[in-house]
Amino acid sequence: GAGVSQSPSNKVTEKGKDVELRCDPISGHTALYWYRQSLGQGLEFLIYFQGNSAPDKSGLPSDRFSAERTGGSVSTLTIQRTQQEDSAVYLCASSPDGTRSYEQYFGPGTRLTVT
Amino acid sequence: AQKITQTQPGMFVQEKEAVTLDCTYDTSDPSYGLFWYKQPSSGEMIFLIYQGSYDQQNATEGRYSLNFQKARKSANLVISASQLGDSAMYFCAMRGGAGGTSYGKLTFGQGTILTVHP
Repeated sequence: GAGVSQSPSNKVTEKGKDVELRCDPISGHTALYWYRQSLGQGLEFLIYFQGNSAPDKSGLPSDRFSAERTGGSVSTLTIQRTQQEDSAVYLCASSPDGTRSYEQYFGPGTRLTVT
Repeated sequence: AQKITQTQPGMFVQEKEAVTLDCTYDTSDPSYGLFWYKQPSSGEMIFLIYQGSYDQQNATEGRYSLNFQKARKSANLVISASQLGDSAMYFCAMRGGAGGTSYGKLTFGQGTILTVHP
């Protein structure tokens, strides 16, 4: 079946603009995760959804970052007033319920460049 | 807080030989899970193997095995019979057990770049 998809694959934006990144998890997966990967910081957890609620938002770096998930499916990560340090690859992952709930399936990522 | 340490920035191995990628961890959670992911140059993150902290046996998945030494807090990945396609970045990761504060998120190490020579 289809894997996790993310859009856009690449986004170049000017400093100060807002951006929205989208994640479509694998159908039926109840848990959804956002991470970002940058050269200086490695792979960092941002936020985790179980259904539509977010039990863990501890990784969001500032109040410029927010995320929502609707219908237990698609999620959007919004970055307001982007800064150059927001440049990174933003990865989304999803995992199923049940015995393999530990397994996170990653999407291809969105490469964000803030100029 | 959880921490993963991968001390090998780069490793080289000859095709068809075995290689061990090191990973040590630190956590105060009584139960946790340990993972290895592969990231080829294309950028996708590929799940390789999982070890639960209460699992009695070391995990194996095909050519991958996880050498879990709980007392030493180490979770090394062993790749047997290396192939050219194994050249990639490898990440060790962990998460806390159900009910703990670190349950939902993966904490990653800095990664090890593996190069397989023909």
